[in-house]
Amino acid sequence: EVRLLESGGALVQPGGSLRLSCAASGFTFSNYAMAWVRQAPGKGLEWVSSISGGGDGTYHADSVKGRFTISRENSKNTLYLRMNSLRGDDTAVYYCVKEGGSSSFGGMGVWGRGTTVTVSS
Amino acid sequence: DVVMTQSPLSLPVTLGQPASISCRSSQSLVFSDGNTYLSWFQQRPGQSPRRLIYKVSNRDSGVPDRFSGSGSGTDFTLKISRVEAEDVGVYYCLQGTHWPLTFGGGTKVEIK
Repeated sequence: EVRLLESGGALVQPGGSLRLSCAASGFTFSNYAMAWVRQAPGKGLEWVSSISGGGDGTYHADSVKGRFTISRENSKNTLYLRMNSLRGDDTAVYYCVKEGGSSSFGGMGVWGRGTTVTVSS
Repeated sequence: DVVMTQSPLSLPVTLGQPASISCRSSQSLVFSDGNTYLSWFQQRPGQSPRRLIYKVSNRDSGVPDRFSGSGSGTDFTLKISRVEAEDVGVYYCLQGTHWPLTFGGGTKVEIK
């Protein structure tokens, strides 16, 4: 069974940093692209970042470009999201998402339960 | 960016009756490989999103056959043939053809 378990969410002050992790199991992690999608309280879904299976291709939404970095450690079956210069509008539940292939993006077939990031002083 | 416009925003339905959600994109979603990367997701209250349909009309494993997807180019539809109580939630479309990936704003399905 495919499982995605996010962690690292916390209450952080504006301007602060955080690293989210997603532990994957039940599939060959390095064979699949992965993504982060977020959902602000009471709002819809927003794509944040994507990374190819080998980690050589990364993509970020304009709203986070230059502040967030997606990465992965295939030997540990783990996906990361490094978040710097956090702002109030980054407050959201962050979901880890499995894609359909190593360089296949936008399918988002499997979702984790999410981890909550709150940016507030 | 490709704008995904869903309608209606809210959809009150009677149990056992059909329901239809529209999703329109500001550009064609046909990719250079000939595929159209349009997916539909269901988010029940308090749960993570779950994909129902991928590449316009392909139902995911375990998804009841009362859910169907159709459309082409810029105009897509999710249909529920007979709404059940467990179908309550918010439904989103997603385009995976163009960067950045973009979701529709969501349609809330509720029981009358």
